[in-house]
Amino acid sequence: EDQVTQSPEALRLQEGESSSLNCSYTVSGLRGLFWYRQDPGKGPEFLFTLYSAGEEKEKERLKATLTKKESFLHITAPKPEDSATYLCAVQATGANSKLTFGKGITLSVRP
Amino acid sequence: DSGVTQTPKHLITATGQRVTLRCSPRSGDLSVYWYQQSLDQGLQFLIQYYNGEERAKGNILERFSAQQFPDLHSELNLSSLELGDSALYFCASSDGRTGGERETQYFGPGTRLLVL
Repeated sequence: EDQVTQSPEALRLQEGESSSLNCSYTVSGLRGLFWYRQDPGKGPEFLFTLYSAGEEKEKERLKATLTKKESFLHITAPKPEDSATYLCAVQATGANSKLTFGKGITLSVRP
Repeated sequence: DSGVTQTPKHLITATGQRVTLRCSPRSGDLSVYWYQQSLDQGLQFLIQYYNGEERAKGNILERFSAQQFPDLHSELNLSSLELGDSALYFCASSDGRTGGERETQYFGPGTRLLVL
C-alpha cells in the first residue's frame, strides 16, 4: 500500500528564516509526486509535480526536490503570506490515478 | 481559482438524511475525482470517473455513490448520513490522459458537510 509521511507536523518560522519540509514515501512505482498548498477552509492549490529522482522545480521562494525515498520543499526567506498547510501526495504507476496524501505540514511564519 | 466549481459551499443536515454534492470540472478535463478530508484522516480518495465511466474506487462507503454526466459534471450522493460523515468533500479534475502535466489534479473549493 502506498504511504506518505510528512514531517514535522507543524513548523513555526520567523520571517526570512529559511527551512525545509520533508515528505517520505513508499510506493510500488512512482508516476508522480505532487506538492499542494492549502489555506484554512480552502481547496488544495497545486504547486509542483516531480517525476523522477534528481528532479528539482522552483517557484518564487519555493523549491521542490525529489529522491527515490523522499521529497523536500525548501522555503527560502519566507514571508507571513507563506503560512499555510503544505500537502505532499504520490501517484503510483498503473491504471489508478488516485493521489495518496500525507497529513500535511502546517507552516506559520511570524513577521 | 482552479477552474473547478463545487456547490453547495456549506451543508448542514441531520443523521439519516441524504445529500447531493455537485462538481463541475475545469474546461476540457475528462476525469473527476472525489476526496474526503477529515481532521484525523487527512485527504482520502473516494472515487474517480473518466468521461462518464467509473475508473477507480477508494475507501468509499456503500452508502455513498457518485456519477458523471454527459456534460462531465459529477455528483456525489451521501445517504443514511452519520455524525462521522461530517467532513470537507473535495472534487478534483484532470485532463484524464496519462503522461506528464496532464496528470495534475486541480481541486475545487470544497463542500463542508456538517451532520447533526
